[in-house]
Amino acid sequence: EDKVVQSPLSLVVHEGDTVTLNCSYEVTNFRSLLWYKQEKKAPTFLFMLTSSGIEKKSGRLSSILDKKELFSILNITATQTGDSAIYLCAVPPGKGAGAGSYQLTFGKGTKLSVIP
Amino acid sequence: NAGVTQTPKFQVLKTGQSMTLQCAQDMNHNSMYWYRQDPGMGLRLIYYSASEGTTDKGEVPNGYNVSRLNKREFSLRLESAAPSQTSVYFCASSEAHEWRWGYTFGSGTRLTVV
Repeated sequence: EDKVVQSPLSLVVHEGDTVTLNCSYEVTNFRSLLWYKQEKKAPTFLFMLTSSGIEKKSGRLSSILDKKELFSILNITATQTGDSAIYLCAVPPGKGAGAGSYQLTFGKGTKLSVIP
Repeated sequence: NAGVTQTPKFQVLKTGQSMTLQCAQDMNHNSMYWYRQDPGMGLRLIYYSASEGTTDKGEVPNGYNVSRLNKREFSLRLESAAPSQTSVYFCASSEAHEWRWGYTFGSGTRLTVV
């Protein structure tokens, strides 16, 4: 059974701080790992990291995948109040899991609160 | 706008009542999913449909049924609602062979069972 563990579960920082969110995973024949941001409603896609790409960057957000240690981190630099959200990490079934097996397994999320 | 549409957005049920949550996507995606989200529990898969005509149980299927009506529509039914089913429900879709953008989620249904 695939497993995703995120830490910390919640985090409160001040504007301008840098934060690191953690995600460890267990999946046979790893395919990819995805990060989502959830504000008040539905999660929105941030990054996908695969076995062939270990780092992604988008403005103040960046994410690294460590295939050996089976974890990923999401870094947010110079945080703003608009970064306040729940950040979710997820993995699809591994390669060879079966036809049509694309259901994501999510971690419990990290709730980030950025104080002005 | 293209995307995933869920209805209703809010619903209050009495214990034992039944209801159907509707979901439709207009992106021609093959796969559709129903998740529930509870505080501190993340998103948990209820049922999914890898393609039109197929459905499979996820992590927490008890108390629910689904119907993949056609390629666009995937409904979730609660036959006899229980307070434990109070949650926020999300429908999502994906192109089965393309993980570049992951899922597209609907805006959610907040369900309260009293």
